[in-house]
Amino acid sequence: SAVISQKPSRDICQRGTSLTIQCQVDSQVTMMFWYRQQPGQSLTLIATANQGSEATYESGFVIDKFPISRPNLTFSTLTVSNMSPEDSSIYLCSVGGNRAAGELFFGEGSRLTVL
Amino acid sequence: AQSVTQLDSHVSVSEGTPVLLRCNYSSSYSPSLFWYVQHPNKGLQLLLKYTSAATLVKGINGFEAEFKKSETSFHLTKPSAHMSDAAEYFCVVSDCGDNYGQNFVFGPGTRLSVLP
Repeated sequence: SAVISQKPSRDICQRGTSLTIQCQVDSQVTMMFWYRQQPGQSLTLIATANQGSEATYESGFVIDKFPISRPNLTFSTLTVSNMSPEDSSIYLCSVGGNRAAGELFFGEGSRLTVL
Repeated sequence: AQSVTQLDSHVSVSEGTPVLLRCNYSSSYSPSLFWYVQHPNKGLQLLLKYTSAATLVKGINGFEAEFKKSETSFHLTKPSAHMSDAAEYFCVVSDCGDNYGQNFVFGPGTRLSVLP
């Protein structure tokens, strides 16, 4: 298993500002994933972050809005830029676990409210 | 392309009665299937997983699920609900070759309420 810590756990932000969410894992992992969970909705993958390369973004998500850093094998950040109320969501960091099963482990999420 | 359908957005049961949360999937390949639980203000926790071994899978907290290929289903059950089971449950599908979890597809979720 993997223990994943996310900061901040929650924040309230003003429209037009940016927020950086940090994700720390207790072991080295190849892939880290960032998900968004809008209120009352399921999880949507934003991007996959690999160490030493550009993040791979899913359809509907762009680097200018959600820049990601992956400086080493245990840490990643997701920035939500130029926020609007529509960005109010839970943002979850995730890592792959057992290689054969593709199991995912999740942080507790960062609950963002944009006013 | 893979997809997951959770037939009930909300299920309400009385404490001590059985739980059934339904999940149907669509996958081009032999899938891996998972159930995750999300308690209020918490991250997601793996309940159980199917990865082409035994079709009846036992998970944590007394939950189990049965993979039925002919019905493309992976329903989650528990014989007796407990108050602490109240949470959101997500059914997830991925391709068998997805070693790192990069192609997980989440269902819309089922909110389980447990009444005293």
